[in-house]
Amino acid sequence: DAGVTQSPTHLIKTRGQQVTLRCSPKSGHDTVSWYQQALGQGPQFIFQYYEEEERQRGNFPDRFSGHQFPNYSSELNVNALLLGDSALYLCASSWGALNTEAFFGQGTRLTVV
Amino acid sequence: AQTVTQSQPEMSVQEAETVTLSCTYDTSESDYYLFWYKQPPSRQMILVIRQEAYKQQNATENRFSVNFQKAAKSFSLKISDSQLGDAAMYFCAYRSRPGANSKLTFGKGITLSVRP
Repeated sequence: DAGVTQSPTHLIKTRGQQVTLRCSPKSGHDTVSWYQQALGQGPQFIFQYYEEEERQRGNFPDRFSGHQFPNYSSELNVNALLLGDSALYLCASSWGALNTEAFFGQGTRLTVV
Repeated sequence: AQTVTQSQPEMSVQEAETVTLSCTYDTSESDYYLFWYKQPPSRQMILVIRQEAYKQQNATENRFSVNFQKAAKSFSLKISDSQLGDAAMYFCAYRSRPGANSKLTFGKGITLSVRP
């Protein structure tokens, strides 16, 4: 049973570019959440997708957008990259109907230069 | 809004000894979950232990146990018989109830080192 998988594992982008990060949830999970973890900090909630809709959103600008596909996988898009967007981006999946714990992927390390 | 505070940035423990990691939180809710997550250098967040606020009994998972003080809004993690593999960053996290469609609010984390 594969856990949460994220791709790519590392990415280097130039300021002003756009980036897409991908996440496949754990088998049987239908809810995907994205978090941004700056170096030396705790993860910060970006948004959550359930039934292909954004259900909750954290304090992030509109440059951060997402999508969830019918197979429950998800993408995180960031436009007009800033140096401050450099971080580890974590995806977590859970089953929406129950209060189960979230399972995390290994993250995508994004570096903006 | 809920907040989670981990005031100790680093701690160190001798192998086989016991260490306690502190966490406090602030919320106006009466029903919620609290978690401790471990993040080793591999970066993947691993759930260590979970506590439901309505349960008075402190959660335990093998060598890991918590001291949950609801009135004081305190949630500490005790690691007994520390092992080299316990070295990692540890994050305390809060999650509202009801429903699973709710975010995790994390503290800043604490780096735990284990001395052989």
